[in-house]
Amino acid sequence: DQQVKQNSPSLSVQEGRISILNCDYTNSMFDYFLWYKKYPAEGPTFLISISSIKDKNEDGRFTVFLNKSAKHLSLHIVPSQPGDSAVYFCAASGNNQGGKLIFGQGTELSVKP
Amino acid sequence: DGGITQSPKYLFRKEGQNVTLSCEQNLNHDAMYWYRQDPGQGLRLIYYSQIVNDFQKGDIAEGYSVSREKKESFPLTVTSAQKNPTAFYLCASSIKFYTEAFFGQGTRLTVV
Repeated sequence: DQQVKQNSPSLSVQEGRISILNCDYTNSMFDYFLWYKKYPAEGPTFLISISSIKDKNEDGRFTVFLNKSAKHLSLHIVPSQPGDSAVYFCAASGNNQGGKLIFGQGTELSVKP
Repeated sequence: DGGITQSPKYLFRKEGQNVTLSCEQNLNHDAMYWYRQDPGQGLRLIYYSQIVNDFQKGDIAEGYSVSREKKESFPLTVTSAQKNPTAFYLCASSIKFYTEAFFGQGTRLTVV
């Protein structure tokens, strides 16, 4: 049972344009969401998070939007840069999960120069 | 400088052998985790520990064992009972449970 889903395995975007990565979840008890970026053969690095009391959180070029009624979150990267090319994972957690992070399958972003 | 160190980066094991993956952190984090990544799949939780001398099974604990005798260390043993041990293993830690986790560089285990 996949509680966190990233339905797009890959996304290709032109440099300078917006990248939008999507994530859906099924467990309404999740109340903390995170995005991680991962390069091949390396560990994921934390990008940005959002609590369920907010619907938007911004950090530089990265903005995460949370739509609780739709159980959907998205990561916007503006403007996209070639160095952003990586696999992006969304993760969710909640009190009923004991605090552990549940990850999606990942979306591979490719930013073309 | 502070961080999480996993060793070795690459590990080869013969079928039927146990192998232990090392994870050390000097971030003074209470919580530590082991995840496994397979191609096309997300990170799946193997074991986690909230404090020293305590740990819980994650979603795919069968064939694995851990210990948490020191705050800084959370080694993972892949036993011969693990049916498909070839994978990329990631260790992580967080200040406390329910906060963002920081990951090590991973260990690629290959069974030959």
